[in-house]
Amino acid sequence: KNQVEQSPQSLIILEGKNCTLQCNYTVSPFSNLRWYKQDTGRGPVSLTIMTFSENTKSNGRYTATLDADTKQSSLHITASQLSDSASYICVVREKTGANNLFFGTGTRLTVIP
Amino acid sequence: DVKVTQSSRYLVKRTGEKVFLECVQDMDHENMFWYRQDPGLGLRLIYFSYDVKMKEKGDIPEGYSVSREKKERFSLILESASTNQTSMYLCASISTAVREAFFGQGTRLTVV
Repeated sequence: KNQVEQSPQSLIILEGKNCTLQCNYTVSPFSNLRWYKQDTGRGPVSLTIMTFSENTKSNGRYTATLDADTKQSSLHITASQLSDSASYICVVREKTGANNLFFGTGTRLTVIP
Repeated sequence: DVKVTQSSRYLVKRTGEKVFLECVQDMDHENMFWYRQDPGLGLRLIYFSYDVKMKEKGDIPEGYSVSREKKERFSLILESASTNQTSMYLCASISTAVREAFFGQGTRLTVV
């Protein structure tokens, strides 16, 4: 069964600190993995996309990693800011079919001053 | 910039009312999706459409229907709203070319 699991479910960190969010998946055949940021009351917005051949990709203070062998991805946030407070959702796309997006339940990050 | 627009940010409806949620995208994408998002459950697929007048049931279609008369517009219909349909509803439009889902801003529906 295709699944995407994220951890932790929620996280509180001090402003300026780093944190790492985890995503494990069983989706196969794998096409790509995206991390989305969802601010409260808003729709998700894409942060990064990882394909099978990519191990690391950065977008400013966000760095995503992918280990396609162990089917794990992480999102590392450096020097957190208050505006990083949001839900972060891992979405894995299966290679076949029209309905082929699998969502994690998200990690709720709160950055406090 | 791709834009996916949902007709309302917030809606309050009474039990038994018929509710229409509209979604419009401006990038000529074939695939459009309706999800609901509830705390602890993540996004769950209600219906999707891969072409005009085509629709497919997702994981939780009960109590919902959809309409796709034009490529840019995908409507979600609650025939008779119930309190357990209180939720955040998200529309997504998917580009096959760039393999990305673009989301609307969401509609927070409360059924009282």
